Amino acid sequence: TQLLEQSPQFLSIQEGENLTVYCNSSSVFSSLQWYRQEPGEGPVLLVTVVTGGEVKKLKRLTFQFGDARKDSSLHITAAQPGDTGLYLCAGAGGYNKLIFGAGTRLAVHP
Amino acid sequence: NAGVTQTPKFRVLKTGQSMTLLCAQDMNHEYMYWYRQDPGMGLRLIHYSVGEGTTAKGEVPDGYNVSRLKKQNFLLGLESAAPSQTSVYFCASSYGDRGPPGSSYEQYFGPGTRLTVT
Repeated sequence: TQLLEQSPQFLSIQEGENLTVYCNSSSVFSSLQWYRQEPGEGPVLLVTVVTGGEVKKLKRLTFQFGDARKDSSLHITAAQPGDTGLYLCAGAGGYNKLIFGAGTRLAVHP
Repeated sequence: NAGVTQTPKFRVLKTGQSMTLLCAQDMNHEYMYWYRQDPGMGLRLIHYSVGEGTTAKGEVPDGYNVSRLKKQNFLLGLESAAPSQTSVYFCASSYGDRGPPGSSYEQYFGPGTRLTVT
């Protein structure tokens, strides 16, 4: 069974701080995605990483896929209150299905 | 484009009652999914469909049924609701294998249905 573990579960920081959240597995994934979910809404896709070692940037967010394609990280520089939300990683589980991690809940305080 | 829509947004049921959740997408996506989201457990796949007229079981299918009579719609049914089915339900869709390169696993989610079973 493929599992994705995210850490930390909760993160509460002040505006302007940097942070990193992690997504780890013992399984290899052909691709991995990061979603952000705001309260009362569905998850929204942020990025897809496909190649081992790949780094993608989305403004202040930097996503990295591990060389062995078993793990990924999301780094946010100078966090803002608008970054508050639940961050979910999801790995390609075959037959176009996704395996989701439990998420990291981020709160950025002004 | 409305994207993925879900009705209703909220519902309260008594144990043993039945209901149907409706999901509609206007992106011409082949694949559609139903998930439930519970605190600390992430999103768990209930059922999915890879095309009109086809359905398959996901990780937690017991107590639910689905139908995909039209490509744009995916219905989730609860025949006899139980308190354990209290959750937030999300529908999602994706291109599947017929979309742009690299897009097959990218899913688009609806806003969710919050269901409480008492």
